[in-house]
Amino acid sequence: GNSVTQMEGPVTLSEEAFLTINCTYTATGYPSLFWYVQYPGEGLQLLLKATKADDKGSNKGFEATYRKETTSFHLEKGSVQVSDSAVYFCALIYNFNKFYFGSGTKLNVKP
Amino acid sequence: DAGVTQSPTHLIKTRGQQVTLRCSPKSGHDTVSWYQQALGQGPQFIFQYYEEEERQRGNFPDRFSGHQFPNYSSELNVNALLLGDSALYLCASSLVTSYEQYFGPGTRLTVT
Repeated sequence: GNSVTQMEGPVTLSEEAFLTINCTYTATGYPSLFWYVQYPGEGLQLLLKATKADDKGSNKGFEATYRKETTSFHLEKGSVQVSDSAVYFCALIYNFNKFYFGSGTKLNVKP
Repeated sequence: DAGVTQSPTHLIKTRGQQVTLRCSPKSGHDTVSWYQQALGQGPQFIFQYYEEEERQRGNFPDRFSGHQFPNYSSELNVNALLLGDSALYLCASSLVTSYEQYFGPGTRLTVT
């Protein structure tokens, strides 16, 4: 079946630190991969996506590369800001249908 | 352009009651999906509607039902509410030809 596993949080960093949030997946076929962000009290916002192996998604300084050989889609940012504090969800979608989400990783960035 | 809108924002119900949640998709979108997000968890897929029919369903009991209207808006109905149904219910809209789903802010349901 399809599933997503991401590192447990919370992750606490100081401003300008490097961020990595790990995400691995299990899927039949070739899924598309996503990172969504959820700020307190809000719905999910698409952060970035990658639709095929070796694609790199990027947005707002965040990056993730679709690694088929390791079934991974790790989220990285070189220098985090306090405003990046949120919950980050890794997700996959297969065959244009339903999303499978990870359990989320809470990021706290301290000034 | 208004994005995905959901109503109400918050709702408190008693165990055993029934509830209806509403969703208006992003302009131009024809497909609506519903998700349940328990506290501290990722969203879980409930079902998806396209052309007023349920296109796919997740692992949820028949107490969860839905409807899509000709204007593409959608309702989620939950009967015989249980305490465990307390969650944030998210609606997402998309084009049937696209994997890219846009999420609404959600409806927070509390069952007491």
